[in-house]
Amino acid sequence: KNQVEQSPQSLIILEGKNCTLQCNYTVSPFSNLRWYKQDTGRGPVSLTIMTFSENTKSNGRYTATLDADTKQSSLHITASQLSDSASYICVVSPYSSASKIIFGSGTRLSIRP
Amino acid sequence: AAGVIQSPRHLIKEKRETATLKCYPIPRHDTVYWYQQGPGQDPQFLISFYEKMQSDKGSIPDRFSAQQFSDYHSELNMSSLELGDSALYFCASSPRAARGNTIYFGEGSWLTVV
Repeated sequence: KNQVEQSPQSLIILEGKNCTLQCNYTVSPFSNLRWYKQDTGRGPVSLTIMTFSENTKSNGRYTATLDADTKQSSLHITASQLSDSASYICVVSPYSSASKIIFGSGTRLSIRP
Repeated sequence: AAGVIQSPRHLIKEKRETATLKCYPIPRHDTVYWYQQGPGQDPQFLISFYEKMQSDKGSIPDRFSAQQFSDYHSELNMSSLELGDSALYFCASSPRAARGNTIYFGEGSWLTVV
């Protein structure tokens, strides 16, 4: 069972609308949680990184939240643009091994004009 | 800003051939990671290096080997290629052991085995 679960699997929204992607994890203890954006066939691009003590972090129109008690994170995208169409991947680093970061299966986001 | 550079971007090989992928980390990053991502699959960790020494090993097949050189670039060597090796291989780099640091990914190298 994947230790990082993301929802929804896919999402279609209209350009300009907001959306929120969810990430639930069971990795414990963990070092940090990252959100990446991955365009098809390309390497993931980092959006945010949070340690267990951080609750929120913003990067432009992207805002990530973290609740270490419930082991949940969310990525909120405001005023979506066509270029936001991509897969968004939640990645958790176990404290025990920084190399074996655990990837969620991602949420495929499609922005429609 | 300089990013992680991978080459080649695309590669087509026949079964049982050998392929070599190269990764040039961001300057001053001393840790390199290799991942394999099959179509529609999660990235799978293969191997990592810190200061030119193997630091961690994941699901890397015995047919594959990798090393990190004195200039911190890394090469992934794949021999006796199989159809199932067709995937996107991307490397990532970070300063030190990445704990608390962002891991930056390259654009990936597409390997197609025919």
